Amino acid sequence: DGGITQSPKYLFRKEGQNVTLSCEQNLNHDAMYWYRQDPGQGLRLIYYSQIVNDFQKGDIAEGYSVSREKKESFPLTVTSAQKNPTAFYLCASSGSTFFSYEQYFGPGTRLTVT
Amino acid sequence: SQQGEEDPQALSIQEGENATMNCSYKTSINNLQWYRQNSGRGLVHLILIRSNEREKHSGRLRVTLDTSKKSSSLLITASRAADTASYFCATDGETSGSRLTFGEGTQLTVNP
Repeated sequence: DGGITQSPKYLFRKEGQNVTLSCEQNLNHDAMYWYRQDPGQGLRLIYYSQIVNDFQKGDIAEGYSVSREKKESFPLTVTSAQKNPTAFYLCASSGSTFFSYEQYFGPGTRLTVT
Repeated sequence: SQQGEEDPQALSIQEGENATMNCSYKTSINNLQWYRQNSGRGLVHLILIRSNEREKHSGRLRVTLDTSKKSSSLLITASRAADTASYFCATDGETSGSRLTFGEGTQLTVNP
């Protein structure tokens, strides 16, 4: 079964704790992306990676960090510096790093920080 | 600011009717894409239209693109209750490579 997996589906953390969200793909895609979605709103790009060991900030990177040590994996860490971390986080991948082909999305992780 | 903006924000229709959603964007693009999101799920790609195309069809979906007005529309014909979802347009910029900018979406409700 090819696709993108995100785990866990729901995550609860206390304020001040860092938390890492998992994203794995077996589509052999070069590009991977992390988005944040707040209720009733669209997606905002946090970070993206076009190749292993390289990544770029998106529009709302403050308070987040990523790594891309393997082609298949692109974990996102929500740090304690993120002022309002409660949101729905979506990971995506695409087969092209140069052109905007379709993106394939995971099922998302809903993070609640109290 | 967001590249794409959808209109209307919410749309409620009866099964069998057609649904039309619009998207406007600000800068020149290479492609425009439409995605669908069921509540609490990831997005699913519906259709991609290139900047040199004016209309594209896929099943019950029809997408138009007017680059002079920087706008696109998504038409779903003969809607079904299962079409209930949020629909987003996503645009690239001419220099943005593979990254997309998403609009805020139209919430479509199809009543049985």
